[in-house]
Amino acid sequence: DGGITQSPKYLFRKEGQNVTLSCEQNLNHDAMYWYRQDPGQGLRLIYYSQIVNDFQKGDIAEGYSVSREKKESFPLTVTSAQKNPTAFYLCASRLRGTAAAKNIQYFGAGTRLSVL
Amino acid sequence: GENVEQHPSTLSVQEGDSAVIKCTYSDSASNYFPWYKQELGKRPQLIIDIRSNVGEKKDQRVAVTLNKTAKHFSLHITETQPEDSAVYFCAASELTGGGNKLTFGTGTQLKVEL
Repeated sequence: DGGITQSPKYLFRKEGQNVTLSCEQNLNHDAMYWYRQDPGQGLRLIYYSQIVNDFQKGDIAEGYSVSREKKESFPLTVTSAQKNPTAFYLCASRLRGTAAAKNIQYFGAGTRLSVL
Repeated sequence: GENVEQHPSTLSVQEGDSAVIKCTYSDSASNYFPWYKQELGKRPQLIIDIRSNVGEKKDQRVAVTLNKTAKHFSLHITETQPEDSAVYFCAASELTGGGNKLTFGTGTQLKVEL
């Protein structure tokens, strides 16, 4: 299944709580991405990281934070500042470079986050 | 930034017919256009992609065409089968050797009816 593992599969958040979604890959990919998917919408980029200890904001970064301390791991924290966190969260990774095989982003199976 | 529009939002075809999904993009710097298929509750999976140095690419029953001048690209599925039923997303990106941020369309729900 592509070597990208997201956990947990389902997560529930209480008001005012921070929660962390895990994303681990064993593909030796350099770049990693977090997307949010809402019903009837496409995937929207939250954060991405091209190398260890470096990451950039995507289009909807407010209320989220990330870290990239290891090449294989890119956890996403949904903070209490994110007022509408209910969504399907997808992690992806790819090799860096512009050669054809390096363009492809591979996705994890996702985490479905709901608010209690 | 890039904006990708995708049409139609839903598409119903009879088994064996062809299906066409169209996308337009706004950023002329975009040069990479993948298509992903997502079955219900599953992860998106790449089905075909195209770079801006070619106008068409085909892989068995699936083909993608690109018109750089008009900034639009299309997915063509021939001889559709029930297992083709899924949501299809187009995306656009500028390959920079680093970020390759994908901007996605809003998806097309394809239903292949028996």
